[in-house]
Amino acid sequence: RKEVEQDPGPFNVPEGATVAFNCTYSNSASQSFFWYRQDCRKEPKLLMSVYSSGNEDGRFTAQLNRASQYISLLIRDSKLSDSATYLCVVGSRFDSGGYQKVTFGTGTKLQVIP
Amino acid sequence: SAVISQKPSRDICQRGTSLTIQCQVDSQVTMMFWYRQQPGQSLTLIATANQGSEATYESGFVIDKFPISRPNLTFSTLTVSNMSPEDSSIYLCSVKGGTSGGAENIQYFGAGTRLSVL
Repeated sequence: RKEVEQDPGPFNVPEGATVAFNCTYSNSASQSFFWYRQDCRKEPKLLMSVYSSGNEDGRFTAQLNRASQYISLLIRDSKLSDSATYLCVVGSRFDSGGYQKVTFGTGTKLQVIP
Repeated sequence: SAVISQKPSRDICQRGTSLTIQCQVDSQVTMMFWYRQQPGQSLTLIATANQGSEATYESGFVIDKFPISRPNLTFSTLTVSNMSPEDSSIYLCSVKGGTSGGAENIQYFGAGTRLSVL
């Protein structure tokens, strides 16, 4: 089983729709969770961190379910500019420097259609 | 957030040659990370570059193939040696966001180097 799994999509949704992505992780000791956005032929950029209590940033809502070991990303009122690949990122291991190492999911591709 | 400059942004290379990728950060960082992203795949960590010590390589990656330099706290290089077409990929430099408040696990990336090996 992969450490971090995502549905690769693509998710093709009309403008204004609500779309949700899930991501599952295998290590129950995972401690940090993020959603990154990667535009075509660009580097990944942080979209939002995911907190235990859930968090919202404008049209974006992230949730963490530790019992079932998944995180979710909800996008409301989709815009054309939301078209991108959304990467689930999980921090699960400590390296010798005291930092967690992060594992990236393969990403879920979203295409918002006019 | 950190500003990361990576170059070259892209290159086309012949089989058997080597390419060195440079990564410059606008602030001092303890660790720098080198990732590879093959077409349609997610990011795979190649190695962690610590200033003043040997880089730490992940399983499947070796120093002879991917030598790394880390001469100071703002700069690192990754060399892809004796290239083959299988090395065609995007190579990304990354740093952590900070030391406290949860920012320590946020990663920032350079724009990447798109390498094609013929």
